[in-house]
Amino acid sequence: ETGVTQTPRHLVMGMTNKKSLKCEQHLGHNAMYWYKQSAKKPLELMFVYNFKEQTENNSVPSRFSPECPNSSHLFLHLHTLQPEDSALYLCASSPELAGGPTKETQYFGPGTRLLVL
Amino acid sequence: DQQVKQNSPSLSVQEGRISILNCDYTNSMFDYFLWYKKYPAEGPTFLISISSIKDKNEDGRFTVFLNKSAKHLSLHIVPSQPGDSAVYFCAASASNTGNQFYFGTGTSLTVIP
Repeated sequence: ETGVTQTPRHLVMGMTNKKSLKCEQHLGHNAMYWYKQSAKKPLELMFVYNFKEQTENNSVPSRFSPECPNSSHLFLHLHTLQPEDSALYLCASSPELAGGPTKETQYFGPGTRLLVL
Repeated sequence: DQQVKQNSPSLSVQEGRISILNCDYTNSMFDYFLWYKKYPAEGPTFLISISSIKDKNEDGRFTVFLNKSAKHLSLHIVPSQPGDSAVYFCAASASNTGNQFYFGTGTSLTVIP
């Protein structure tokens, strides 16, 4: 396997369920990201991890809980979600975080299409 | 409020002609811009980037133009090929925001054979 993989690709869950999304990158990168893409809306950054440490939490509700056990794996734990959380959840990675005018390109996984009933 | 806007949700172009995808931004602090391409059931893939010190960057059939005074960038694809049919996202970032990118909503390009 190469690149960034995400499982499952599709998920249907009830509002009382607990589920987890998994992301794995095989690129040797140190930064990983969770994005949410709702219909007809831009990608919204949710969380950023750099060297396993969380560096960004963009005011995401606590029903979304990220976990980064190592630089290759990223999880998004879901519990008591709402129907409006239905969206495409994309994971990305980059070599590391970079400031200044030169940015590290992010490599995206295929996403998990989540439907909350 | 959206800081990056792609006002055309879709665009159709004849094969061999030029495709021009547009993107506008509101934050004058943005100094790095990228275009991503997304096929159905796949994640976005990086296409081309430009920093604010340039007004043009070219890579094969793809050229990105940046007009800082108008806060506008565009992606030109010439000649367009059917395999270019995809959704194109522009993204912008500012030096003081680490690696946080702000994305547009995308433009779906269809290249007609």
